[in-house]
Amino acid sequence: EVQLVESGGGLVQPGGSLRLSCTSSRLTLSNYWMTWVRQSPGKGLQWVANINEDGTVEHYADSVKGRFTISRDSAKNSLFLQMNSLRADDTAVYYCARDRNYVDSGTWYDVFDNWGQGTVVTVSS
Amino acid sequence: IQMTQSPSSLSASVGDRVIITCRASQAIRNELGWYQQKPGGVPKLLIYAASRLESGVPSRFSGSGSGTDFTLTINNLQPEDFATYYCLQDCAYPRTFGPGTRVEIK
Repeated sequence: EVQLVESGGGLVQPGGSLRLSCTSSRLTLSNYWMTWVRQSPGKGLQWVANINEDGTVEHYADSVKGRFTISRDSAKNSLFLQMNSLRADDTAVYYCARDRNYVDSGTWYDVFDNWGQGTVVTVSS
Repeated sequence: IQMTQSPSSLSASVGDRVIITCRASQAIRNELGWYQQKPGGVPKLLIYAASRLESGVPSRFSGSGSGTDFTLTINNLQPEDFATYYCLQDCAYPRTFGPGTRVEIK
């Protein structure tokens, strides 16, 4: 059962910006690491970025570093992806996913157990 | 870390055993997950920590491997298993998915 909902996608010109949002009416997002994953048309999955529970740690794919910013607002129970300097190859469905994490013998494992339905971003003139 | 998968696609029949291989460009211990995605659908977690079956996933799915070489095995393939399967390394940043293996009906 999908418990995450993305929004904010749309058509934007190259060089433009968009801000994606992800929220949940059932999950308290601030309890988890959260991740953005994207999928270009007809292509595979690409990990984009993640953020820790309190928003103090972020990681990015090389292809978006310096252009995208992941953030969260616990009061709004929301996750965001600010996308600037958009390029045609950023065209994709963007999914947010909860990382439940699994810890064993001091090793942390990603467990993306809950995904939204995705929001479509199209970068085109 | 680069991830490769083989084969890129395969055809199989209901009841078959299917084995998908994922290889990492460097050792990632057992920090690997497997995800299933059906056409038009959302990715679904199958396996994490290389071999731990996610709750609710049928036991015909299993994962193994450590270091650089991993396998996803589907025993007694069912009609609902026809999908694309992706591995994902979570040993280092940036996380990287494999290119996917499409399992089609023979």
